[in-house]
Amino acid sequence: EPEVTQTPSHQVTQMGQEVILRCVPISNHLYFYWYRQILGQKVEFLVSFYNNEISEKSEIFDDQFSVERPDGSNFTLKIRSTKLEDSAMYFCASTERPRAGELFFGEGSRLTVL
Amino acid sequence: DAKTTQPPSMDCAEGRAANLPCNHSTISGNEYVYWYRQIHSQGPQYIIHGLKNNETNEMASLIITEDRKSSTLILPHATLRDTAVYYCIVRPSMNTGFQKLVFGTGTRLLVSP
Repeated sequence: EPEVTQTPSHQVTQMGQEVILRCVPISNHLYFYWYRQILGQKVEFLVSFYNNEISEKSEIFDDQFSVERPDGSNFTLKIRSTKLEDSAMYFCASTERPRAGELFFGEGSRLTVL
Repeated sequence: DAKTTQPPSMDCAEGRAANLPCNHSTISGNEYVYWYRQIHSQGPQYIIHGLKNNETNEMASLIITEDRKSSTLILPHATLRDTAVYYCIVRPSMNTGFQKLVFGTGTRLLVSP
């Protein structure tokens, strides 16, 4: 069964460092999302992406965050200068039909900022 | 967005049916009810969705009341692997474009032997 894959599964970084989280969506999906979940808290929407541009972003997704799909397969989330409060699980999701509401999530990348 | 209310936790014995309620009293006519679950710290997993008719798939059944103000997700024969947090989400229909899912706190279901 096709699945969304994310790398790395866990990354530890120092505050102020840049981090790139990578996602390979399901191959025929064209709509992509990043969500995050701080330990013990809700799953929060960060950004949605379609046709090489951001469709919607949340208040969390400030200038420190960026997304791109550089090669038609990977979908990346970059955090330019990490803060302690960026420590969380980051989930990538994709869908073939956004209006249908069935999103396929990856297993997540755990980011720990020290 | 319509809001949902779910009990914070529920218990179920293995092999029995798990019935997870959700209140969405402010749901509007074009909003669907979606159910997702999250096992431990894995990514959320889609279960089922519906508008007003009851729905069933290989994972679960969804019962929506006639007034659409509440629904119940039914796992007919719960297993230990069904232990997870279950999220009930309401979301505008297919004609309103690129709508994100908004997760609440969900119901933590514990299935015991």
